Amino acid sequence: TQLLEQSPQFLSIQEGENLTVYCNSSSVFSSLQWYRQEPGEGPVLLVTVVTGGEVKKLKRLTFQFGDARKDSSLHITAAQPGDTGLYLCAGAADRLAFGKGNQVVVIP
Amino acid sequence: KAGVTQTPRYLIKTRGQQVTLSCSPISGHRSVSWYQQTPGQGLQFLFEYFSETQRNKGNFPGRFSGRQFSNSRSEMNVSTLELGDSALYLCASSLGLSGTEAFFGQGTRLTVV
Repeated sequence: TQLLEQSPQFLSIQEGENLTVYCNSSSVFSSLQWYRQEPGEGPVLLVTVVTGGEVKKLKRLTFQFGDARKDSSLHITAAQPGDTGLYLCAGAADRLAFGKGNQVVVIP
Repeated sequence: KAGVTQTPRYLIKTRGQQVTLSCSPISGHRSVSWYQQTPGQGLQFLFEYFSETQRNKGNFPGRFSGRQFSNSRSEMNVSTLELGDSALYLCASSLGLSGTEAFFGQGTRLTVV
């Protein structure tokens, strides 16, 4: 069983601040996906990273895949209230293995 | 393109009853996976179906079962419900198998009383 540890579990910041959350594992994944989930809804795919060291940007969100393809980070620049949500990382192996998520709250 | 549709959205059942949840994947997607989400455990994998065959199974008791029809629609069934089965059940559809990008439905919120 591949375990994905996400940290911090909970993060509350003011609008306009930057934040970084992490997704770590001892397993190697062929790819890693990030999702955002809002209350009462299913997760929505944000990005897939495939190559070790890869960096992908989605507006103010920057995703990085570790060189060894075991970990990833998500950096949000100038956070806005609309960024509030549960951020889930998922590693692709024989199935998608999900971490428990980073709950991000952006206060206006 | 229509997204993943799960029905019903909300369900309240009594301990000992059984329940069936339904999932219609995105048109053209042949893989359907089911997950249980609880605050303490996060998203836990139940099973994956592809072309009407169960291809992968998580670590859940036999009370949890599923099936997939020829049109790729899927159902999951939970028998002899327990209080601990209260959770958000999510269905995800994918083009391919095992680890390809997943598109989730809104989920079915099951409450067992």
